[in-house]
Amino acid sequence: NAGVTQTPKFRILKIGQSMTLQCTQDMNHNYMYWYRQDPGMGLKLIYYSVGAGITDKGEVPNGYNVSRSTTEDFPLRLELAAPSQTSVYFCASSLGDITYEQYFGPGTRLTVT
Amino acid sequence: RKEVEQDPGPFNVPEGATVAFNCTYSNSASQSFFWYRQDCRKEPKLLMSVYSSGNEDGRFTAQLNRASQYISLLIRDSKLSDSATYLCVVRGVGSARQLTFGSGTQLTVLP
Repeated sequence: NAGVTQTPKFRILKIGQSMTLQCTQDMNHNYMYWYRQDPGMGLKLIYYSVGAGITDKGEVPNGYNVSRSTTEDFPLRLELAAPSQTSVYFCASSLGDITYEQYFGPGTRLTVT
Repeated sequence: RKEVEQDPGPFNVPEGATVAFNCTYSNSASQSFFWYRQDCRKEPKLLMSVYSSGNEDGRFTAQLNRASQYISLLIRDSKLSDSATYLCVVRGVGSARQLTFGSGTQLTVLP
């Protein structure tokens, strides 16, 4: 199993551009999450999904959108990129919530200039 | 007050030393507690869950004090490979049951 995969690994965007960060998991997990991690900071939840067709906002959703059309895929869309969105983005998945471990992808390093 | 607070360190310790990290959380209704490990420029990985009775996994011991809203991680006989950032993670309450991450404590084990 590949686990959680993310593409691209790195990206530089100009202010105002848009892009989609891809996330795929092959563990048949119902729950998927998008986090961002700024330097020296903890991870902050952007959006999450408890199953195909169901998404909800996390702590820092502004400037992002998500969709969950399949169990495997959970893309994150950035519209009108801003320098404040420069960060490392991690996708994660888990079988359930409360006590289940979250498995993280390798991350996407995004710079907006 | 931050929801989850950790001493950022860095902690620089010699091989074989015992080192302890502390973490406090602000929401007394928090349900679950974890320590994650994050290597430099890598993704976080679960190190261990933290139970009310305390739990041990080899050289690692985690403890929870609900009354003081305090979590600790003890590493005995430190190895070079223990060098990483250790994230204290708390699961909240409500429908989201979101994880809240501390900003991490950086550990470097020196030869």
